[in-house]
Formats: sequence, C-alpha cells, structure tokens
Amino acid sequence: NAGVTQTPKFQVLKTGQSMTLQCAQDMNHEYMSWYRQDPGMGLRLIHYSVGAGITDQGEVPNGYNVSRSTTEDFPLRLLSAAPSQTSVYFCASSPNYSGANVLTFGAGSRLTVL
Amino acid sequence: GQSLEQPSEVTAVEGAIVQINCTYQTSGFYGLSWYQQHDGGAPTFLSYNALDGLEETGRFSSFLSRSDSYGYLLLQELQMKDSASYFCAVGSGYSTLTFGKGTMLLVSP
Repeated sequence: NAGVTQTPKFQVLKTGQSMTLQCAQDMNHEYMSWYRQDPGMGLRLIHYSVGAGITDQGEVPNGYNVSRSTTEDFPLRLLSAAPSQTSVYFCASSPNYSGANVLTFGAGSRLTVL
Repeated sequence: GQSLEQPSEVTAVEGAIVQINCTYQTSGFYGLSWYQQHDGGAPTFLSYNALDGLEETGRFSSFLSRSDSYGYLLLQELQMKDSASYFCAVGSGYSTLTFGKGTMLLVSP
C-alpha cells in the first residue's frame, strides 16, 4: 500500500512553461485535493474532487487546472507558470467527502518558477 | 470568508505539557481537526472534534467549544520528536478543509 504518491518531488520551471504534477492513490479514496504551502501561509486549497468526473475550485484556483478521469489519479496542471506559483504542493485524499475529512497527504512536490 | 488564528510559535521543555490554541471564524462548520508536520515532511492527521468536549489519543488531546469558536491541542509528556508545526483545520464546507497558518513547537532538553 503506497498511499498517496506525488511526482515529481522537485521541479524547476521558467516563467510561461506548463507542466503537470501527478498524484495517485491506491486506497480507493473518493475524495482528492491539492493544496499549496507557502511560508507563513499554511495550506491553501487549490482544487478538489469528490469522485471521478467531479472537480471543484478551492481558495486559490487561478492558474491551475485539474481533471479526475479515474478514482486513483488527480493531476494538477499549471497552464503558464509564474514566479508566484513557486511553492510546495501537496496532494491529499480521504475515504469520503465531508467536513470530517481525515486527509492522507502525499510527500509533496517542490516547484520553483524562475 | 474563513479565518483561523493560532500562535505562530510555542516553546517548551521535554516532559512538560503544552497547549496550542485555535480560534476560528467560518461560514460553515463541520468539525475541527489537527495535523502535525515535521520540517520537510507531509502533514499527518492527529485528531478530530465534531462535538464539544475533549478527545484523547495517547499523549495528545484535543478540545472543542463550538459556542466559543475555539479549540486547542494539548500535548503531554513532551518529547524532542514533538518539535514540529501543528495546524488546526476547520471543515468549512461540505467538501473543503481550511487550515490555519500553523504553530511551530520547539521542544528543548
């Protein structure tokens, strides 16, 4: 049981480039989400999904796209990277989708945009 | 909007007891959670309160007062490995979890 797997762990981009952060879970969790973590800002929700084919925006969705074609995978796409998107990104999943979420986090992806 | 307030830093010595407070203002409330994050690591779930009162899990306890929009995490018999950041989080919508900015706990010998 690998839990939540994120790739890549580190990435450096130039402004304007696009890329996809991958997230996969093998726990058959319905709920998946993406957070970004910046110093002194805590974790802020970008997008989330309550099941395959269903996604919604969180607190800071601008500049990011998501899709959920399978229960296991929830990729996060940066359309045109900006320095403001330099951050650590965490994918998290949960068996259900209520405020009682007990999230299992991936190890994180550290992104630097130059 | 949603806002959670918690102290930015708390220091304590090994063996002591420390309390980390969290106050919140949210448009909806579906429970208060606590997560621990060691430097460079991923957040891990510690505790959850849906109703008022105290929940105990080993050396850690969490308390909630919904009427006061307040909760706390209590760590007993502190160990060096407890040095980490602690985040409170509120289920602010049916499918969303809003996190506080975190409290860095420094445990000294």
